[in-house]
Amino acid sequence: AQTVTQSQPEMSVQEAETVTLSCTYDTSENNYYLFWYKQPPSRQMILVIRQEAYKQQNATENRFSVNFQKAAKSFSLKISDSQLGDTAMYFCALSWNQFYFGTGTSLTVIP
Amino acid sequence: DAGVIQSPRHEVTEMGQEVTLRCKPISGHDYLFWYRQTMMRGLELLIYFNNNVPIDDSGMPEDRFSAKMPNASFSTLKIQPSEPRDSAVYFCASRGQGNTGELFFGEGSRLTVL
Repeated sequence: AQTVTQSQPEMSVQEAETVTLSCTYDTSENNYYLFWYKQPPSRQMILVIRQEAYKQQNATENRFSVNFQKAAKSFSLKISDSQLGDTAMYFCALSWNQFYFGTGTSLTVIP
Repeated sequence: DAGVIQSPRHEVTEMGQEVTLRCKPISGHDYLFWYRQTMMRGLELLIYFNNNVPIDDSGMPEDRFSAKMPNASFSTLKIQPSEPRDSAVYFCASRGQGNTGELFFGEGSRLTVL
């Protein structure tokens, strides 16, 4: 069975600062994908970044980057230069056949 | 492409009434997922289809819930009879072939059962 754990229910960060959201997962599979999704107050689910498990290089998308530690089954999201628009719920997800989501981390960016 | 389209966006109904939520996946996507989101339980997978065939419905809460996908471009989630505890946001999402692609979500249907 696959599980995804996000141990930080809430976090806050000052505008322009950097914040890291944690995610751990468990799977016995080798070929899987990992994702971070963002859900702002509008409730739309938006893909932030994805990581292929077979790639050692950490994915980066502009201000968003991940620290993927396959052996430790850890997949954290780093947001640099935080902006007010980053305020949202962030979900970590593992994809293998179906998607497995964590419980989310509510991030507030403080002006 | 128009993205995943869900209707209605909001539904308010009374306990005991039948509710039907609708979803049109992205053209060419052969996986379709129904999720329920509440504050207490987070995102729960209810059921998913591959090529219109239900693959896993173990997340469907009880017999009051049913889902169909009569063709590649349409799916419904029905609750009959509805209860106040069914109040939630219901998301439909679709994905292209393979188990590695991004999941594309609709805007969700907020259901309130009084």
